Amino acid sequence: KAGVTQTPRYLIKTRGQQVTLSCSPISGHRSVSWYQQTPGQGLQFLFEYFSETQRNKGNFPGRFSGRQFSNSRSEMNVSTLELGDSALYLCASSLGLGLAKNIQYFGAGTRLSVL
Amino acid sequence: KQEVTQIPAALSVPEGENLVLNCSFTDSAIYNLQWFRQDPGKGLTSLLLIQSSQREQTSGRLNASLDKSSGRSTLYIAASQPGDSATYLCAVMDSNYQLIWGAGTKLIIKP
Repeated sequence: KAGVTQTPRYLIKTRGQQVTLSCSPISGHRSVSWYQQTPGQGLQFLFEYFSETQRNKGNFPGRFSGRQFSNSRSEMNVSTLELGDSALYLCASSLGLGLAKNIQYFGAGTRLSVL
Repeated sequence: KQEVTQIPAALSVPEGENLVLNCSFTDSAIYNLQWFRQDPGKGLTSLLLIQSSQREQTSGRLNASLDKSSGRSTLYIAASQPGDSATYLCAVMDSNYQLIWGAGTKLIIKP
């Protein structure tokens, strides 16, 4: 069974641009969560999608958005990039049911550098 | 507001030693606690998940305990090996179903 796939692995953008990151979950998983990891703030929850609906959202500005498609693949978009958005963005998938009991499987991440 | 703290931030031990990593959290209203491993440049691997009603979980050489009332968890690694070198992260699922993360413990096992 293939794991969680994130593309691209690396991205370099300049301030003011926008970026879209992609995540393909494990087959059969319906929940996709996104996290931001930075040296200063550590890992922080961005949002979670389940069956194409945003089910949970962290404390990030509206520049960060996402969506989920009918095949459970998810995309995350960041508009008007700032230097502070440079981070490793991790995606995790889970079955999504009985949420508190689910184990999340993480992708390798997309490393975004904003210049 | 839930806060998760991991001590120590870094640890270096000789191969073969048993070791303990610590995680503490400020709000006992959690659904579960999870330990993850992160290798450099890679994503996260889930090691153990302890439900709030459980006291411990074991997987191979790893044993994790949870004392919800005191807000503490420990990850015990027996007979450490160089391949265990990684950053170990603790996370709690809070009452909003969000994972709140510690800053991690960077572990180095010296051959």
